[in-house]
Amino acid sequence: DSGVTQTPKHLITATGQRVTLRCSPRSGDLSVYWYQQSLDQGLQFLIQYYNGEERAKGNILERFSAQQFPDLHSELNLSSLELGDSALYFCASSPRDTSSYEQYFGPGTRLTVT
Amino acid sequence: ILNVEQSPQSLHVQEGDSTNFTCSFPSSNFYALHWYRWETAKSPEALFVMTLNGDEKKKGRISATLNTKEGYSYLYIKGSQPEDSATYLCAFKDTGRRALTFGSGTRLQVQP
Repeated sequence: DSGVTQTPKHLITATGQRVTLRCSPRSGDLSVYWYQQSLDQGLQFLIQYYNGEERAKGNILERFSAQQFPDLHSELNLSSLELGDSALYFCASSPRDTSSYEQYFGPGTRLTVT
Repeated sequence: ILNVEQSPQSLHVQEGDSTNFTCSFPSSNFYALHWYRWETAKSPEALFVMTLNGDEKKKGRISATLNTKEGYSYLYIKGSQPEDSATYLCAFKDTGRRALTFGSGTRLQVQP
């Protein structure tokens, strides 16, 4: 158990809908990262927050947005969902805003868009 | 686009065999190299973070080396056990980017 929690574990929704994925980092970790893993692709970095501020953006679609709240939990919002958004979404946390520290991954949220 | 390549893509070994695989990355502007183990139906678990050329890290039967000048890292598993069966991911960061770029992984299957 990494200490990172993600909810929900599974989500099934229809095209055009909007969903929110939630992540609580390990106690004391200030950085939260979001990743997407589709069927035929590796882990793709989406976005990083550090202590409430956006720090880095990867290949995140404009339909997706995220935020980190004062209690350090983070939410990833996915809107106007398409079939291709079906994937496993991981969040990870680390103590600092630097890749000198390992990242601790949550169990993931499996999103299925029908 | 950053190229982080892992080889082989998959590997089948017998219990007790020692094995190794490679992560290749750009040799310029190195910042950090991570190794993760990802078991089926679980989430990636950190093995090592390496930041200096020549770094060698060890955790039990698993060890890793780093050569930043030539742009590669090796992961070694000594005396493989069935519980070592997993996908091993490396992830690279250079000084110009703020995020890790993951390789596609090496899938290891250890037959009892």
